Amino acid sequence: EIVLTQSPATLSLSPGGSAILSCGASQSITNNFLSWYQQKPGQPPRLLIYGSSTRAPGIPDRFGGSGSGTDFALTINRLEPEDFAIYYCLQYGGSLWTFGQGTKVEIE
Amino acid sequence: VQLVQSGEEVKKPGASVMVSCKASGYTFTSHGISWVRQAPGQGPEWMGRITVNNHNTNYAQNFQGRVTMSADTSTGTVYMQLRSLRPDDTAVYYCVRDGIDPDLWGRGTQVTVTS
Repeated sequence: EIVLTQSPATLSLSPGGSAILSCGASQSITNNFLSWYQQKPGQPPRLLIYGSSTRAPGIPDRFGGSGSGTDFALTINRLEPEDFAIYYCLQYGGSLWTFGQGTKVEIE
Repeated sequence: VQLVQSGEEVKKPGASVMVSCKASGYTFTSHGISWVRQAPGQGPEWMGRITVNNHNTNYAQNFQGRVTMSADTSTGTVYMQLRSLRPDDTAVYYCVRDGIDPDLWGRGTQVTVTS
């Protein structure tokens, strides 16, 4: 089983700022099948990025994904009030999926 | 295009629960379905998946022996049964469509295990 470790656990930022969220894998992820989700209370996770760097339809270009192998990152530029939420990475490269434990982006 | 899940369940410890997930708006057999659960205040946890065109399943180690996933291709519905329920199985259970972009989630089914 691939273990995903997200850092930091919490980011305290101001609107207009930038966030860099990290997701490290215990072994290389097949085909870089690593996605990022945003979740707000009472809602299912919303796909932002798939395949490490491809934005899902309708996702603004201030969200960007990068990385390969075992090291991945989600960058959020020009933070909007609606971006303050919890972010999870998911690896789906094999027959078993795993999620990271999440990074909370909160207003400073 | 949507996944519609069955309604809220309340169960006693030791019981079983079956949650359904009906797909519409796409070719059902072209995608597998995963099940993910999320306990209160916790992150999502992947439980397993079913390849609906051949009914092949893969289960997370944490659920081996307690979960069964099945599919009915005639109705486009996938089922997840969890047995020997414990209070810490209380969670929202989601079905998720597989693919290179796992973007389609059901709205979730609340399962509460309480005596």
